[in-house]
Amino acid sequence: GAGVSQSPSNKVTEKGKDVELRCDPISGHTALYWYRQSLGQGLEFLIYFQGNSAPDKSGLPSDRFSAERTGGSVSTLTIQRTQQEDSAVYLCASSSTGTRSYEQYFGPGTRLTVT
Amino acid sequence: AQRVTQPEKLLSVFKGAPVELKCNYSYSGSPELFWYVQYSRQRLQLLLRHISRESIKGFTADLNKGETSFHLKKPFAQEEDSAMYYCGLLGGGYNKLIFGAGTRLAVHP
Repeated sequence: GAGVSQSPSNKVTEKGKDVELRCDPISGHTALYWYRQSLGQGLEFLIYFQGNSAPDKSGLPSDRFSAERTGGSVSTLTIQRTQQEDSAVYLCASSSTGTRSYEQYFGPGTRLTVT
Repeated sequence: AQRVTQPEKLLSVFKGAPVELKCNYSYSGSPELFWYVQYSRQRLQLLLRHISRESIKGFTADLNKGETSFHLKKPFAQEEDSAMYYCGLLGGGYNKLIFGAGTRLAVHP
């Protein structure tokens, strides 16, 4: 079956604009994660959705960042009033519940460039 | 606080040489640790996890609770091992992976 998909693959935006990044998890996966991959910073956890539970937003760097997950499937990460330091690759991952729930399947990422 | 440290940003070796990518962690509970790998132009993917005690592509990693380490080792590096390697720790909420900064392994012919 299809893996995790993300769109767009690349996004260039001007400082101050809002952007939306989309993630389609693997069908049936109840857990969905967003990470940010910056040069020299590694992988930074942003937010985690599990089923109908309240999301774990502890990794969001500021209130300009928000995410939704509609119908337990597709997720959108929104960054408002983008800043140059938001430039990074944004990765989405999903996993299923059960004994292998810790294996996260990653999407190809969205490369965001803020000019 | 939960933290994963990978002290080396870049590890450069010659083909056939042994490799050890270091990972140290800080976690108050019983840790579950993983290595993820990202080859050039590919997605990040699971390489191995400590509870399975398996060897994948010749790589092994042993959890050392006394030293709070989970170093990744391979006795003879191959050029195709060149990639970015991330050590991960299952943290709060059980499904939240906390990653280190990553180590780029470059294997030269």
